[in-house]
Amino acid sequence: QQQVRQSPQSLTVWEGGTTVLTCSYEDSTFNYFPWYQQFPGEGPALLISILSVSDKKEDGRFTTFFNKREKKLSLHIIDSQPGDSATYFCAASYSGSWQLIFGSGTQLTVMP
Amino acid sequence: EAAVTQSPRNKVAVTGGKVTLSCNQTNNHNNMYWYRQDTGHGLRLIHYSYGAGSTEKGDIPDGYKASRPSQENFSLILELATPSQTSVYFCASGDRVNEQYFGPGTRLTVL
Repeated sequence: QQQVRQSPQSLTVWEGGTTVLTCSYEDSTFNYFPWYQQFPGEGPALLISILSVSDKKEDGRFTTFFNKREKKLSLHIIDSQPGDSATYFCAASYSGSWQLIFGSGTQLTVMP
Repeated sequence: EAAVTQSPRNKVAVTGGKVTLSCNQTNNHNNMYWYRQDTGHGLRLIHYSYGAGSTEKGDIPDGYKASRPSQENFSLILELATPSQTSVYFCASGDRVNEQYFGPGTRLTVL
């Protein structure tokens, strides 16, 4: 059972453009939503995260949005750079859990 | 910054053989995790541990065992490796779910 759905599976954007990645989830008890970034040959690393009490969180060029009613979240990357080329995973968890449920990932390529 | 190392980085095994993947963390985190990563499935949790001597089953534990002999070390054991276990395996550590630090991964091929 896939509890966190992520789309698209792959995405190519031009340098300077805006990237939008999306995820949806089913379990309404989820209240913590991190995004992980993974470069080839490396392990994932935490990029940005949001709690369900917020609807937006920014960190530089990266912004994550949370829509509780629709059970959706998104990651926006403005002024995308070739160095942003990586695989991005959304994930979800809930209070008291030590486990993260990961989406299937989006492979992003930013063309110069 | 958390430091998680894995060994070996690459491993080729034969069907039916025993494989041990090792993970070491130097930040005194209580929790450690083993995931496998496959295209289209993201990261799936195999086993995790709350501390030395403890292991817990994750979402896909069948065919895998885990061992946590110390705070720093967490091993994943495939007693009878099968081709379906060909994958990239990641170890992670952390004290809270929002602070999982991943190792560089081990690429396992079972022939």
